[in-house]
Amino acid sequence: QQPVQSPQAVILREGEDAVINCSSSKALYSVHWYRQKHGEAPVFLMILLKGGEQKGHEKISASFNEKKQQSSLYLTASQLSYSGTYFCGTETERTYGQNFVFGPGTRLSVLP
Amino acid sequence: DGGITQSPKYLFRKEGQNVTLSCEQNLNHDAMYWYRQDPGQGLRLIYYSQIVNDFQKGDIAEGYSVSREKKESFPLTVTSAQKNPTAFYLCASRQGQNANEKLFFGSGTQLSVL
Repeated sequence: QQPVQSPQAVILREGEDAVINCSSSKALYSVHWYRQKHGEAPVFLMILLKGGEQKGHEKISASFNEKKQQSSLYLTASQLSYSGTYFCGTETERTYGQNFVFGPGTRLSVLP
Repeated sequence: DGGITQSPKYLFRKEGQNVTLSCEQNLNHDAMYWYRQDPGQGLRLIYYSQIVNDFQKGDIAEGYSVSREKKESFPLTVTSAQKNPTAFYLCASRQGQNANEKLFFGSGTQLSVL
């Protein structure tokens, strides 16, 4: 029941844009996005709930398409500090509130 | 300041030995989780607990055990049955069952086998 993320890795130059996708074979109730630097704890970015809302946080935004069971994270005008591994975490309707599973991650490298 | 404390930061296990990883939170959160992370991999759920004295197996519970005797504490024991325990272990907590609530993570414990 682990969600699938794509791409596995992406390399950008500073100022370029990127999109990271997260999809599930099960009906999703919520999608969370976190960023992790090597050897550190994941840091929360945003939560999207069933309803297809789009959220934004500075130059990072995300959407949730519940019909496709898919969420996308948009990074615009990337900065060096955006480097890290991005994880989506999901709850399905059936397991809502009970457990929380993460995708395998997308490694993002932003070069000067 | 409220938060989650994991200890130790580094831990070494000998063959056939059980080791326990500590996770304590002072956020008054109901739910707590243990994840395992292998190099270059995602976070895999080991165990989770919604309330005191109750916990559920995650995707990779074999070779691990937990207890939840107090709301603030959720220790993880890596038993000798876990043949490949080397990994980065993360503990997380969450207020309750509201999907609007984010997970708070500890700083992790790196476990290695001697």
